[in-house]
Amino acid sequence: DVKVTQSSRYLVKRTGEKVFLECVQDMDHENMFWYRQDPGLGLRLIYFSYDVKMKEKGDIPEGYSVSREKKERFSLILESASTNQTSMYLCASSLLDSYEQYFGPGTRLTVT
Amino acid sequence: KNEVEQSPQNLTAQEGEFITINCSYSVGISALHWLQQHPGGGIVSLFMLSSGKKKHGRLIATINIQEKHSSLHITASHPRDSAVYICAVAFFNAGGTSYGKLTFGQGTILTVHP
Repeated sequence: DVKVTQSSRYLVKRTGEKVFLECVQDMDHENMFWYRQDPGLGLRLIYFSYDVKMKEKGDIPEGYSVSREKKERFSLILESASTNQTSMYLCASSLLDSYEQYFGPGTRLTVT
Repeated sequence: KNEVEQSPQNLTAQEGEFITINCSYSVGISALHWLQQHPGGGIVSLFMLSSGKKKHGRLIATINIQEKHSSLHITASHPRDSAVYICAVAFFNAGGTSYGKLTFGQGTILTVHP
């Protein structure tokens, strides 16, 4: 079974803190994705990566950066957390040209 | 703009009822997914389809390519079907690699009462 894990299920941070969210997949997938999910808005793509050290902006990249130093690991970084970044963050992975994405359990981030 | 619209946003049913959730999209697609998300966050794929109809147990998914519309049906609904159902679409990307990108609907919150 494909397994996608995220470093934390729940996280509480203060405004201005630097926040790291980590995602690890164990199926040698080329593609990895970071989404945020908000009520009424659905999942929105923040960044994705199709290879080590490669990254592409999604629909809402402002305030976020990413890092992919190893194929299995994709990190989302909030350089200076703000209250409007309080959300559920979901990571997913897939093979290069596959539309079947496998999702992690999500991290519910609260910024106070 | 590539868009995905789901309806209804909220749906309440009594156990045993037949349920339909709708998904419309704006332009041509390569594939459409129906996903399920239970409280706690985890998302699982129910169906991936590009034409016709698929069935798995009490769940049926249909797609009409000409009308750019898909439906998810649940027959004989049960309280354990309570979840968020999400339509996700891979828009057709002529001449390029899609990298498997999906565009998601807003989700439908389904509550089935005993």
